[in-house]
Amino acid sequence: QKEVEQNSGPLSVPEGAIASLNCTYSDRGSQSFFWYRQYSGKSPELIMFIYSNGDKEDGRFTAQLNKASQYVSLLIRDSQPSDSATYLCAASTDSWGKFQFGAGTQVVVTP
Amino acid sequence: DVKVTQSSRYLVKRTGEKVFLECVQDMDHENMFWYRQDPGLGLRLIYFSYDVKMKEKGDIPEGYSVSREKKERFSLILESASTNQTSMYLCATTRTGALDEQYFGPGTRLTVT
Repeated sequence: QKEVEQNSGPLSVPEGAIASLNCTYSDRGSQSFFWYRQYSGKSPELIMFIYSNGDKEDGRFTAQLNKASQYVSLLIRDSQPSDSATYLCAASTDSWGKFQFGAGTQVVVTP
Repeated sequence: DVKVTQSSRYLVKRTGEKVFLECVQDMDHENMFWYRQDPGLGLRLIYFSYDVKMKEKGDIPEGYSVSREKKERFSLILESASTNQTSMYLCATTRTGALDEQYFGPGTRLTVT
C-alpha cells in the first residue's frame, strides 16, 4: 500500500510563531508534492506545491522536499489565527494528478 | 468565478437506494476525480477519468461506478447505498502536466440511513 503519513496533531502554535508540519511518503516514484489547507466543513485549497529537492517559498509558507529521505515539510511563518485549519499533504506519481493524501495535521494558532 | 460544482451539499438516502452525485467543471480540464473523506483517513480516491468515456479505478472502487459522457461532467453512482458509504464526497479536477492548476468542488455530505 502506497502511503503518505502525517502526524494528526493537533499542533498548537502561538500567534506569530512558526508552525512546522511534516509528511513522509513511501512510493519512491512520487514526483510532485502538494500541501492543502482545509477549513472545517470546506473543501481542500491548494497552498503550495513542490517538485524539486530543496526549499520553495511563497509568502509566509515554505515547502521543503528531500526525496532521498522521502520527506516533505511545510513551514508557516508568523502564524495567524486564520491559519487554524487542517493541512493535508499529497504526493503524485504521474502527470494527471492521481494523488495519495495523508490524513492531515490539525493546526491551532492560539492568540 | 465558478470552477467546480457538485449537485448537492447535503444528501440523505436510505439503504439500498441508487444514488447519483454529479460534478461539473467549467475549466476544460481533462482529468476529473472522485474522493471520499472520512475522519482520520484523509482523502481516498474512488475513481478518476482522464478523458471522456474513460475511467480508471482508484483505491476504493467497490460499491461505486462512474460515468463521463461529456468532458465537463463526471458522475459518481452508488448502485445500492449502504451505511458504510456515509461520507463526504469530493470532486476534483486537474490539467494534465500542470498539476498546480487543480480545483476541488465544495463537497457533498452523504448520509445513508
